[in-house]
Amino acid sequence: DGGITQSPKYLFRKEGQNVTLSCEQNLNHDAMYWYRQDPGQGLRLIYYSQIVNDFQKGDIAEGYSVSREKKESFPLTVTSAQKNPTAFYLCASSMGLADTDTQYFGPGTRLTVL
Amino acid sequence: QQQVKQSPQSLIVQKGGISIINCAYENTAFDYFPWYQQFPGKGPALLIAIRPDVSEKKEGRFTISFNKSAKQFSLHIMDSQPGDSATYFCAALEGNSGYALNFGKGTSLLVTP
Repeated sequence: DGGITQSPKYLFRKEGQNVTLSCEQNLNHDAMYWYRQDPGQGLRLIYYSQIVNDFQKGDIAEGYSVSREKKESFPLTVTSAQKNPTAFYLCASSMGLADTDTQYFGPGTRLTVL
Repeated sequence: QQQVKQSPQSLIVQKGGISIINCAYENTAFDYFPWYQQFPGKGPALLIAIRPDVSEKKEGRFTISFNKSAKQFSLHIMDSQPGDSATYFCAALEGNSGYALNFGKGTSLLVTP
């Protein structure tokens, strides 16, 4: 089965802790993305990566970090600097960055800060 | 700031009725307008998309109407079914930027039996 997997599905974190969300795709896509979804807010872009070892900040990158060491993997670290991290996090991938390259989304990780 | 404004925030339609969701934008550089459907606890999935060189695109029961001069586009779901109950997001993309999908805030649709 081709697709995007995100783990864990639910994640609880204490304030002041860093936490890493996993995103893996076996679609052979070059581009990968991280979005944050808050109730009634739509999706907001955190980071994106066009190719391995390269990534760019999105609209709300503060308090987050990413790496792209492998084509299939694009983990997101939510650092203690992120002031309001409780949200639903969605990873996506696409063949490239052309506008017609459909972004396919994973099932998401719901992060709750206690 | 929100570059794509979506309304209504929520919508209740009877089975068999027409669901209509509207979106408006300001950036005339946007040239690709997808709609995503999201079920609870799942990631969004592409439903249908349109470019501004056409005024309408239809796929099954789903139709996008596009008004370039008004900078508005809408999703029509004909013969709405309870299985259509989901959150719908419109989005817009600027071709040169490639990556930056600008999403509306979403519409929660409930289709009652």
